[in-house]
Amino acid sequence: QSALTQPASVSGSPGQSITISCTGTSSDVGGYNYVSWYQQHPGKAPKLMIYDVSNRPSGVSNRFSGSKSGNTASLTISGLQAEDEADYYCSSYTSSSTLVFGTGTKVTVL
Amino acid sequence: QVQLVQSGAEVKKPGSSVKVSCKASGGTFSSYTISWVRQAPGQGLEWMGRIIPILGIANYAQKFQGRVTITADKSTSTAYMELSSLRSEDTAVYYCAREGYWFDPWGQGTLVTVSS
Repeated sequence: QSALTQPASVSGSPGQSITISCTGTSSDVGGYNYVSWYQQHPGKAPKLMIYDVSNRPSGVSNRFSGSKSGNTASLTISGLQAEDEADYYCSSYTSSSTLVFGTGTKVTVL
Repeated sequence: QVQLVQSGAEVKKPGSSVKVSCKASGGTFSSYTISWVRQAPGQGLEWMGRIIPILGIANYAQKFQGRVTITADKSTSTAYMELSSLRSEDTAVYYCAREGYWFDPWGQGTLVTVSS
């Protein structure tokens, strides 16, 4: 199972919106509404930000939103803040009943 | 509120095995799935496998088949991940996480260093 493809880096100024893409295949992202997104700060465990494509867990800011079109899922961060600077990973359920992560995206707040 | 607490850092020789534990509190341990995810230094996340304690069934990513064993002890609400035939490339932080097509919460991570 190959890793899902994410851009290596995305940057934006405070207050702007950015979008991170996550591209897979019809055997993972495109085949199931089980895409999730994680935020990871240096030296910390990942934190769930979005599950089932577009649902936010309790306590996660509504500045984070998720969507999917075909084999590509997206995470949008609106009103970018300094604290959003971190690595972001997508994950998807697969047709093999396994899970696969994306390659990861480093978000920089300029 | 489910919390997962992992065992401490390990240093192992190439060719040996390591067993990392993940103790759960809160919730009903048998009713949820525990996955293991690793992250090599400066690298991304990699799913290794899962166990469903109530069924005692584990399945693994193809990459780790034959080298990883995930078990669970319902009496102590603890899951274990054992990785054998260690090599330098296995140096990583190993995380456990409750899985439900997503991962939440996560354990704090266990650093395993493989070095001669």
